[in-house]
Amino acid sequence: GQQVMQIPQYQHVQEGEDFTTYCNSSTTLSNIQWYKQRPGGHPVFLIQLVKSGEVKKQKRLTFQFGEAKKNSSLHITATQTTDVGTYFCAGLTNAGKSTFGDGTTLTVKP
Amino acid sequence: DAGVTQSPTHLIKTRGQQVTLRCSPISGHKSVSWYQQVLGQGPQFIFQYYEKEERGRGNFPDRFSARQFPNYSSELNVNALLLGDSALYLCASSHPGGAGELFFGEGSRLTVL
Repeated sequence: GQQVMQIPQYQHVQEGEDFTTYCNSSTTLSNIQWYKQRPGGHPVFLIQLVKSGEVKKQKRLTFQFGEAKKNSSLHITATQTTDVGTYFCAGLTNAGKSTFGDGTTLTVKP
Repeated sequence: DAGVTQSPTHLIKTRGQQVTLRCSPISGHKSVSWYQQVLGQGPQFIFQYYEKEERGRGNFPDRFSARQFPNYSSELNVNALLLGDSALYLCASSHPGGAGELFFGEGSRLTVL
């Protein structure tokens, strides 16, 4: 079945450093979504990417969708303590099945 | 407007018991999905319902069942509970005409002893 892998599992950074998480799918995706889950909270939608090679920015966050539509990345510039949480990607196949990765947990040291 | 609401927020059951979890979607959302999130893992898809019909089912045993009501609220039932069913159960609603994003509730934390 479809598998979505995320690396790294954990990332510890000093406040102000950059952070990147990578998402890789075993199958071609029709789109990919990113969610953020704060400790003790629920996943909150960040963005959806649909087109091959698409790049979207939200303030300090940059999202990319690979040319083959099998991988994606989320990059945060100059992390802040408010960026703490677990970032999940969720890939949707053409069959309509959505699969979440196991997330990258980001901790930020002030 | 209220977000997705789930009840109960926490519950403790023993092995072999049955549990019913409830979800009310955002007003106007007709699609409800259920996910199981085990500590340290991503949400795993269980069911999706749209207009009271099952639209998708994940790789879960028949002990898991769900339904959607005319007002688009939903229930998830789990029979013959196992220790491994301990998890956060998340309900998410979505709007067919939207961008496809899922709006999650706070979840129901189930502990099976």
